[in-house]
Amino acid sequence: GNSVTQMEGPVTLSEEAFLTINCTYTATGYPSLFWYVQYPGEGLQLLLKATKADDKGSNKGFEATYRKETTSFHLEKGSVQVSDSAVYFCALTPSGAGSYQLTFGKGTKLSVIP
Amino acid sequence: NAGVMQNPRHLVRRRGQEARLRCSPMKGHSHVYWYRQLPEEGLKFMVYLQKENIIDESGMPKERFSAEFPKEGPSILRIQQVVRGDSAAYFCASSPVPDTQYFGPGTRLTVL
Repeated sequence: GNSVTQMEGPVTLSEEAFLTINCTYTATGYPSLFWYVQYPGEGLQLLLKATKADDKGSNKGFEATYRKETTSFHLEKGSVQVSDSAVYFCALTPSGAGSYQLTFGKGTKLSVIP
Repeated sequence: NAGVMQNPRHLVRRRGQEARLRCSPMKGHSHVYWYRQLPEEGLKFMVYLQKENIIDESGMPKERFSAEFPKEGPSILRIQQVVRGDSAAYFCASSPVPDTQYFGPGTRLTVL
């Protein structure tokens, strides 16, 4: 079946540090890939997505590139802020049947300290 | 445009009671999805509904759980005779077509 594995947290960084959260997936065909962010007490918000190999999704300074050869979709940001403190979820939807079913990783909690 | 709304945000039930969770999709969205998040786990798909139809309930437990999305009103996730293992956060999402899903804030169910 489909699965998503992302790095365990929590991750603690100082403001303006570089962020990488690793995400790898298992799926047949060409899934679509997503990063969602969950701020404390809120629901999940779509951060960025990519729908085909070599696509780069970007939003609010965050980037992730769809790497088919390594089945990865790592999240990066060059300079994090305190306001980026949240839980980040990597997810996929499969191609073909059931293409609406999001499969999520367990989430990575990021804390950014001033 | 208001986002996806869920209520209540927090729900406490005793074992054996019923829990009803409500989800109002974004305006213009006719596709609704329910997910469950157990402690320390990612979200798991439960069910996908369109107005008055259940499209895919492959992630729903076979007993005690049901979902509906009537022609008028919100989508309802109903859990009968709750047990401690049902304690979780339940998230609803909606979309205008089966595409990018927009999530609500979730309902956190605690079973005593």
